[in-house]
Amino acid sequence: QSVLTQPPSASGTPGQRVTLSCSGSRSNIVSYYVYWYQQLPGTAPKLLIYRNNQRPSGVPDRFSGSRSGTSASLAISGLRAEDEADYYCASWDDSLRGWVFGGGTKLTVL
Amino acid sequence: QAQLVESGGGVVQPGRSLRLSCAASTFTFPAYAMHWVRQAPGKGLQWVALISSDTTNEYYGDSVRGRFTISRDNSKNMLYLQMNSLRPEDTAVYYCAKSLLRGGITHGLNAFDIWGQGTMVTVSA
Repeated sequence: QSVLTQPPSASGTPGQRVTLSCSGSRSNIVSYYVYWYQQLPGTAPKLLIYRNNQRPSGVPDRFSGSRSGTSASLAISGLRAEDEADYYCASWDDSLRGWVFGGGTKLTVL
Repeated sequence: QAQLVESGGGVVQPGRSLRLSCAASTFTFPAYAMHWVRQAPGKGLQWVALISSDTTNEYYGDSVRGRFTISRDNSKNMLYLQMNSLRPEDTAVYYCAKSLLRGGITHGLNAFDIWGQGTMVTVSA
């Protein structure tokens, strides 16, 4: 069982806005930044959002991140077929003294 | 763009050892902390280990602490993962990843920036 909790699946239609959630605790999300990764089928993960809500260069502004209390969210607007992927949240956990991931959310574009 | 290439994966029997390598290029390798992250078949991501840029600090996930050792050779731009006493549950694709933050380790900031393509490790009799 993952330290950070993500719903296993989500779906949306092209053009729609979807929001993926990540739930944690005081020892991780509340105290440390949240990062989001996109993993397309058969490829390595790619950094999507860093420090809760910052986008690396090259990541479209359709992707946005936020954090509130023990939860974080990744929003994808104007959903496209190529957004179909697994999405993972990550944070440092001070109790475990290590990095932790969510179990991942498989996003399906219908 | 930073590039990372892992190697050394393969099939190994339980209880045996294996050493993974990660060759870094097109960035100042000695300036960045480095990670190993793994992904079991059909499963999610699991952080394995972190080493500081100057090798003075190492951190490990609970499931590998005492069995795995992360190391680096800054003169060769190489990262390593020595895996001992391997178990079937260590079967996974192993990725090396560059720290997002340049310089020392500041917990919560040294997230995973650039990833390699991964190398598969299978532990089976």
